[in-house]
Amino acid sequence: DAGVTQSPTHLIKTRGQHVTLRCSPISGHKSVSWYQQVLGQGPQFIFQYYEKEERGRGNFPDRFSARQFPNYSSELNVNALLLGDSALYLCASSLGPLAGDTDTQYFGPGTRLTVL
Amino acid sequence: AQSVSQHNHHVILSEAASLELGCNYSYGGTVNLFWYVQYPGQHLQLLLKYFSGDPLVKGIKGFEAEFIKSKFSFNLRKPSVQWSDTAEYFCAVSGGYQKVTFGIGTKLQVIP
Repeated sequence: DAGVTQSPTHLIKTRGQHVTLRCSPISGHKSVSWYQQVLGQGPQFIFQYYEKEERGRGNFPDRFSARQFPNYSSELNVNALLLGDSALYLCASSLGPLAGDTDTQYFGPGTRLTVL
Repeated sequence: AQSVSQHNHHVILSEAASLELGCNYSYGGTVNLFWYVQYPGQHLQLLLKYFSGDPLVKGIKGFEAEFIKSKFSFNLRKPSVQWSDTAEYFCAVSGGYQKVTFGIGTKLQVIP
């Protein structure tokens, strides 16, 4: 089975631009979460979506938004990019509430965003 | 709010040495605990997980972790490390179907 896939692999943008990152979950998984991993830190939670609805949001500004599509894939959008947005953006998929307390997230390879 | 503390940020060991990476967590409820590993150039992979039951959990590649509820700890162990274990290790906690909170990570370097 294919794992979580993300595109693009790498991206270079300039300050003020916006970016869209894409994620396809593992087949059968209905929940998608987004994380930001800055160099030297652990991943930080940004969003969680389940059945196209936002189910959780981390401490990130409104410049960050996301959505989930009927096929459970997801997009993360970041507007008005800042230098500090340079990071590895990770997508994780899981079964969601169907798994109850034993839900486990599986991560994709990430998108490396560089803001100049 | 949940939080995870990893005590060792950078560990250097010789092959065949024993490994123990410390992890303490803070969470006000039923907790699920994970160790993820990130090998150089690869993505995060699940090493092992604890939900309930036997507090000694065995994972892939000979790793194990012990959940000690009274100490809020979930330390990762391996009796004998190999050069291929060189990677970054992340301890993480979640409350079931919720976000996962990660520690800062521990970089393990195994010297042949």
